Amino acid sequence: DIQMTQSPSSLSASVGDRVTITCRASQSISHYLNWYQQKPGKAPKLLIYAATSLQTGVPSRFSGSGSGTDFTLTVSSLQPEDFATYYCQESYSPLSRTFGQGTKLEMK
Amino acid sequence: QLQLQESGPGLVKSSETLSLTCFISGGSIRRSNYYWAWIRQPPGKGLEWIGSFHYSGNTYYNPSLKSRVTISVDTAKEQFSLKLTSMTAADTAIYYCARELHYNSAPTAHDFDYWGQGTLVTVSS
Repeated sequence: DIQMTQSPSSLSASVGDRVTITCRASQSISHYLNWYQQKPGKAPKLLIYAATSLQTGVPSRFSGSGSGTDFTLTVSSLQPEDFATYYCQESYSPLSRTFGQGTKLEMK
Repeated sequence: QLQLQESGPGLVKSSETLSLTCFISGGSIRRSNYYWAWIRQPPGKGLEWIGSFHYSGNTYYNPSLKSRVTISVDTAKEQFSLKLTSMTAADTAIYYCARELHYNSAPTAHDFDYWGQGTLVTVSS
């Protein structure tokens, strides 16, 4: 099974900061990596698919990069509505779907 | 606009079977590049994939839950269901249904692009 490890588990930042979250796969997953944002009491929302593609309607301050085993989600200038928990998810394995453990982005 | 809505009991007794249904509106369950999935989230914890299926019959389950899970579909009613047997306190979670969009360029690659609002299921002793 593919394991997905996110770092850090939590992060404190301020409005306007540039923030980067990392996701590492236990084996190469090419570019088959998705990122989701989840706010308290809400379902996750797809932000980035296939490592770098921005989902329709998602602000351009969000971007994704990486391939193989190492991936990053970057928020170029944090807005108040961006404080949430972020999850990565591999879509490489045909028989399973694995999420990272999550990164909670909190206001400093 | 596609909408998904979970329905089922909020409370299940230990050792009993959970039955949940996901109702689809604004779209069809019978599209070649869509799978339909169940995902859960224990309170305060991360996301766990339960299983996915295609209306053609292809079904995949999380190996850790496979012996207890059945996902079925009613295409006429545009809904799909989850059964999870032998429930324990560890199964207490918010259960989400979601659409799994597969890419034409790489059939196994996908993302979860639409989600239901989720339903909390608590297992009581």
